[in-house]
Amino acid sequence: DIHLTQSPSFLSASVGDRVTITCRASQGISSYLAWYQQKPGKAPRLLIYAASTLQSGVPSRFSGSGSGTEFTLTISSLQPEDFATYSCQHLSSYPFTFGGGTKVEIK
Amino acid sequence: QVQLQESGPGLVKPSETLSLTCTVFGGSISPYYWSWYRQPPGKGLEWIGFVHYSGSTNYNPSLESRVTISVDTSKNQLSLRLNSVTAADTAFYYCARRDSNGYYGYWGQGTLVTVSS
Repeated sequence: DIHLTQSPSFLSASVGDRVTITCRASQGISSYLAWYQQKPGKAPRLLIYAASTLQSGVPSRFSGSGSGTEFTLTISSLQPEDFATYSCQHLSSYPFTFGGGTKVEIK
Repeated sequence: QVQLQESGPGLVKPSETLSLTCTVFGGSISPYYWSWYRQPPGKGLEWIGFVHYSGSTNYNPSLESRVTISVDTSKNQLSLRLNSVTAADTAFYYCARRDSNGYYGYWGQGTLVTVSS
C-alpha cells in the first residue's frame, strides 16, 4: 500500500493567514492526488484533484501543487469557513489511501 | 443535482453482518464507479472498495475477506455488506461517486454504524 504522510497534523492560524499543508507519498504517484475538506459531522468535500485542478465551485484561494511524492495544499487567505480538517488521498493504485489529516483551528 | 443517501441499521451486534444501501437521486448509476468509505469517529478515512455499474468490483485487501459491494441499476442503488463485524468496524460509512475526471466529487452525508452487543 502507498502511505501518505501529512504535516502538520494540527495547525493554528488566524483569519487572513496563508496556510500550507504538505502530503508526502511513500512512492511516486504522479499527479493522482486529491485534497478534501471535512467539517465535523459532514462528508468530505473535494477541493483539488489531479494535484492542482480546482474542483468546480471551490474558491480560488485554495490551490494545490506537486507531483511524484510531495504535494502541497495552500489557502492563500484563510477565511472563517475554512477552519476544518484537510486530508489528501491518492488514486494512483489500489488500495486508495488517505493521509492522517490536518486540523486547522482558529488562533 | 446528484444526491447520495446511505441507509441501514445504526447498531449491529459483534460477529453479525453490517448491511448498508446507498440510493442515488438526481442521476443514474451508470456509467460510473461507486465507492464505499468509512471513518471511525475522530479518525481518518479508509477506502473500502468500489463497484462499477457493470457489477465489477475491487476491494481494499484489508477488508476483502469480509466485504461485498453490489449494484442494482434498476433501483439506482449500491449496497455494502461487511460480515463478522467487531467493535473496530464502528465508523461513519459513506458512499461516493467517482466522476469522469477520476475523482470523488459526490458523497453521501454518511451514516454511523456502531458495533455493540
